[in-house]
This record gives sequence, C-alpha cells and structure tokens, in this order.
Amino acid sequence: AQKVTQAQTEISVVEKEDVTLDCVYETRDTTYYLFWYKQPPSGELVFLIRRNSFDEQNEISGRYSWNFQKSTSSFNFTITASQVVDSAVYFCALDTTSGTYKYIFGTGTRLKVLA
Amino acid sequence: GAVVSQHPSWVICKSGTSVKIECRSLDFQATTMFWYRQFPKQSLMLMATSNEGSKATYEQGVEKDKFLINHASLTLSTLTVTSAHPEDSSFYICSANREGANEQFFGPGTRLTVL
Repeated sequence: AQKVTQAQTEISVVEKEDVTLDCVYETRDTTYYLFWYKQPPSGELVFLIRRNSFDEQNEISGRYSWNFQKSTSSFNFTITASQVVDSAVYFCALDTTSGTYKYIFGTGTRLKVLA
Repeated sequence: GAVVSQHPSWVICKSGTSVKIECRSLDFQATTMFWYRQFPKQSLMLMATSNEGSKATYEQGVEKDKFLINHASLTLSTLTVTSAHPEDSSFYICSANREGANEQFFGPGTRLTVL
C-alpha cells in the first residue's frame, strides 16, 4: 500500500521560531519521488521541492531545508526563522514512477505563524 | 514554462444545473491531466486521470456520469459537473503532466459553490 502521513494537523509558532513539518511515507517501489507543496489561503498550490528516492542528500533553499531519510521513510521540512507569510497549509506528496504520475497527498499540516 | 490555467476561478450555480470547468496547459502539451477535489480543510483527492483522445480513468467512488471529463486536445481538459448539488461544492484543481518532467503542474483551482 502507498500512503503519506502528516501527523501534525496544525502547528502554531511565533514569528522567528524554527518549525519542522513531518512527513512519513509508505511504498514498496524502489523508485519514487517526494514533493512538498505550499497552499496559501488563495488555494493555489506552490511547488517547493521534488526529491527522488536515490538522492538522500539534504537540501537547503534559503530559510527552507529538507531532511530525507529512507531508513525511516521520512521527508521532513524545516522552516528557519519563520515569518507570517509562511502561514499556509503544507502538503507532502508521493509519486511512484509507475508511469501514471499519480500523486498521493498527505492530509496536510496547517502552519500558523503569529506576529 | 509549464503554466496551467483554469477557468473559471470561481463559480456559483443553482442546484440541478451543470457546470463546466476548463483546464489548459498554456505553454506545453499535456498528454495526461488530472482532476482533484478538495473539501474545506481537507487534502486533495484525485478524482480522475484524463488522457488525450481516450476515456478518463476514474478513481473508486467517483461517479463517471456526474463528473464528465473530456480531454479533446493536448492542451485542454474539461470537467463538467452535471446536475450539481450543494454537496458538490468544493475546490476543484487540475494538473498536467509534461512529457519528460517527473512532476505535475497544477492549475490555480476553481471554487464551485452550488446553492
């Protein structure tokens, strides 16, 4: 079975705090892609990152960083020095390269950054 | 590149009427398009996969006769909600797959409200 779990339904932090959003996935495929998307109140999905299953290097992009650990099937996302504009729902998604490119989305984590 | 548009961005209709939502890939050809539905504070749920020139593949539990999908060209897919009812009110999002790209490109979504 393929599944994406985002156990944190909602997180509230004060501006400038660091916050980590968890994502745990299940798949039997050896080749797959993992994604993070941001969905602000407008509703449009904003692509943040794509990671393939063969690349376990952590990635940093500005205040964003991602920790991919195949051993624990996790792909966690950290925002450093959070800002009010980071307030949104964040989705983790799994795409197995079975030729269909169908995504399985997690349930999302609503992040509220308070001024 | 890889821009996907949706029209309309929002629509309000009376119960019993049909509503058509368009999804266009503006700068690439999309062999496959996907339709998602998102209820408030919930995740994206895949409704169907649409391939150009062939019948759409619906996910389990999605009524084919209610949600008509047509993918007549490599840049356009349409979703028609027939005989809409208030429970069909939702945020509908399409995405498109570009050949050679291991990711879907998402449209901005269409908010449907059925009175």
